Amino acid sequence: GAGVSQSPSNKVTEKGKDVELRCDPISGHTALYWYRQSLGQGLEFLIYFQGNSAPDKSGLPSDRFSAERTGGSVSTLTIQRTQQEDSAVYLCASSLQGEGEKLFFGSGTQLSVL
Amino acid sequence: GQQVMQIPQYQHVQEGEDFTTYCNSSTTLSNIQWYKQRPGGHPVFLIQLVKSGEVKKQKRLTFQFGEAKKNSSLHITATQTTDVGTYFCAPRTGTASKLTFGTGTRLQVTL
Repeated sequence: GAGVSQSPSNKVTEKGKDVELRCDPISGHTALYWYRQSLGQGLEFLIYFQGNSAPDKSGLPSDRFSAERTGGSVSTLTIQRTQQEDSAVYLCASSLQGEGEKLFFGSGTQLSVL
Repeated sequence: GQQVMQIPQYQHVQEGEDFTTYCNSSTTLSNIQWYKQRPGGHPVFLIQLVKSGEVKKQKRLTFQFGEAKKNSSLHITATQTTDVGTYFCAPRTGTASKLTFGTGTRLQVTL
């Protein structure tokens, strides 16, 4: 595709429900990143993929958060038993390689947990 | 862990004034990238600095990488309303695979 695509763009859910966020990176980009941004705040690193493997999961806030990437392309971020503090914009980015390459960001998924 | 301070947190300038944001690390960096995020938008890559003492210019924007590769700055000359947004530095150390971002500097420009 022309850019990084994220879906849904908005998600409203009830506390305790599970949600899945999808990221479709730029074709050929081997590295994929997930970040979280709360209103007016900075970018919090969640997880990084190189191909299908995740060498760095250190940013996942709790075991309710998980992510996978299949076929070296699409990635899904799953949040189980959502809490109100999970409300934020979840941004995905991809790059040609993991290091030294610029990141291209998607438009994000605005998650609201009621 | 790596401490990346970005200052100031917020700056409000009149159009035509200059603006500078600083990114300071406690550890030596291998390179540093800068991104701009417009209100309601997503971060967009601006530049990457790799060499000690490197200076790069993009029109009214000047980026510098410190001699010790521990700090960097972004200077905007004669700001315009189109410069409004949050500027983030993104430093890398060694072979770190993850890319973390500084706290960001939010720039507001008024006429």
